[in-house]
Amino acid sequence: GEDVEQSLFLSVREGDSSVINCTYTDSSSTYLYWYKQEPGAGLQLLTYIFSNMDMKQDQRLTVLLNKKDKHLSLRIADTQTGDSAIYFCAERKIEYGNKLVFGAGTILRVKS
Amino acid sequence: SQTIHQWPATLVQPVGSPLSLECTVEGTSNPNLYWYRQAAGRGLQLLFYSVGIGQISSEVPQNLSASRPQDRQFILSSKKLLLSDSGFYLCAQTGQGAYGYTFGSGTRLTVV
Repeated sequence: GEDVEQSLFLSVREGDSSVINCTYTDSSSTYLYWYKQEPGAGLQLLTYIFSNMDMKQDQRLTVLLNKKDKHLSLRIADTQTGDSAIYFCAERKIEYGNKLVFGAGTILRVKS
Repeated sequence: SQTIHQWPATLVQPVGSPLSLECTVEGTSNPNLYWYRQAAGRGLQLLFYSVGIGQISSEVPQNLSASRPQDRQFILSSKKLLLSDSGFYLCAQTGQGAYGYTFGSGTRLTVV
C-alpha cells in the first residue's frame, strides 16, 4: 500500500522539543522527507534521510529512521513560534516517475 | 537552482466555467512534473504527473485534465468547474539528486 500516516496535531511550549512521528508502508522507499508548510504557502523541504541511515542531524532538526518498524520521526529542538506550521512526511517511490507519497500532515502549534 | 512559477496566486471562478492554471519551471531539463491538490489545508493528493512532453499520467479520475506542451510547462485545466474542485493547487518538479520535490507557491481556487 501507499499509506503514510502521521499524527494530526501537536502542541508544545516555546523552548521545548517537538517530536513529530510518521509511519510508512513501502520498505523499498529510498528516501524519506520532511516538508514544512506555512499558512497559504507552498511546501518547503526541511530535511531528508536516505533509507540506509538511522539518524540525521541538521542544526535544530534531528531525523530518526527505524527501517524495521517503518517509522520516521522529526525532532525540533528549542521550538520557536516561527516553527508553527504543518509538517508533512513523504516517502519516495522509484516507480511512477519517482513520485513522493505524502502523509496528511501534522499541525504543530507553538505556544509562547 | 530550481524555481517554479505558478499563477495566479488566487482565483475565484463560478461553477461551470473553464479553468487553466499554468506552471513553468527553471533549472533541470526534462524534469518530472506534478500537480497536487490540497483540500482544507491538509493532505496532498497527487492529481497528475508527467515524465516528458505530451506524457501525462492521471492518478485519480476527476473533472480535471493536464497537458505538457513544452518541457518546462505544465498546465492544469477543466472545461467546467465543479464546487468540489475548490482547493489549493500545487505544482512540483523532481529535485536534483537525493532531494525531493521543489514546490511552487500554489494557486488557491475557490469555485462559487
